[in-house]
Amino acid sequence: AQSVTQLDSQVPVFEEAPVELRCNYSSSVSVYLFWYVQYPNQGLQLLLKYLSGSTLVKGINGFEAEFNKSQTSFHLRKPSVHISDTAEYFCAVSDRDGATNKLIFGTGTLLAVQP
Amino acid sequence: GAVVSQHPSRVICKSGTSVKIECRSLDFQATTMFWYRQFPKQSLMLMATSNEGSKATYEQGVEKDKFLINHASLTLSTLTVTSAHPEDSSFYICSAREGGEAEAFFGQGTRLTVV
Repeated sequence: AQSVTQLDSQVPVFEEAPVELRCNYSSSVSVYLFWYVQYPNQGLQLLLKYLSGSTLVKGINGFEAEFNKSQTSFHLRKPSVHISDTAEYFCAVSDRDGATNKLIFGTGTLLAVQP
Repeated sequence: GAVVSQHPSRVICKSGTSVKIECRSLDFQATTMFWYRQFPKQSLMLMATSNEGSKATYEQGVEKDKFLINHASLTLSTLTVTSAHPEDSSFYICSAREGGEAEAFFGQGTRLTVV
């Protein structure tokens, strides 16, 4: 079964510093990959997605991620964070050829931006 | 992007009563809908997957008789928590996907508190 690992439960970073949130998935089959952001007591907002094509994916709010098939990783990066980026970030994966394409989530990383 | 509306956003109910949560796709046909549960500071756990007109497929450990899912139309799915107890208190989130599309869109979530 597919699984997603986000090793960092919390990442503290100073404002305007770069940040990388790590994500690894388990299966070597073809996958779709997603990053979502969640603010307190709200649903999920899609930051970016990898479906096919270029391995470097650009999303909203200045975020980008790179799909690395050999390392089964999809790390999220931003060159300069803002206070408003403080939120919970979830990496998710679904099997490309699955019957239902269930979306499986990682445990989340709290990005805490400090002034 | 596509819009998924989830209602209510918050609900408080007495122990032993039932609560219904609605999930509507506003501008697309939701062939498949997913229901998730999220405990505080934890990830989203998939509860069940439903296809329009079919019975829902529940994940292991999720009680079918406890969490009734109905997906009677291409724009509406409902989750009914029957005979709710305090341990059912949680954040419930739905998502919907059209046909074979890779991306699913999320509702705003429902905070259920059972007292």
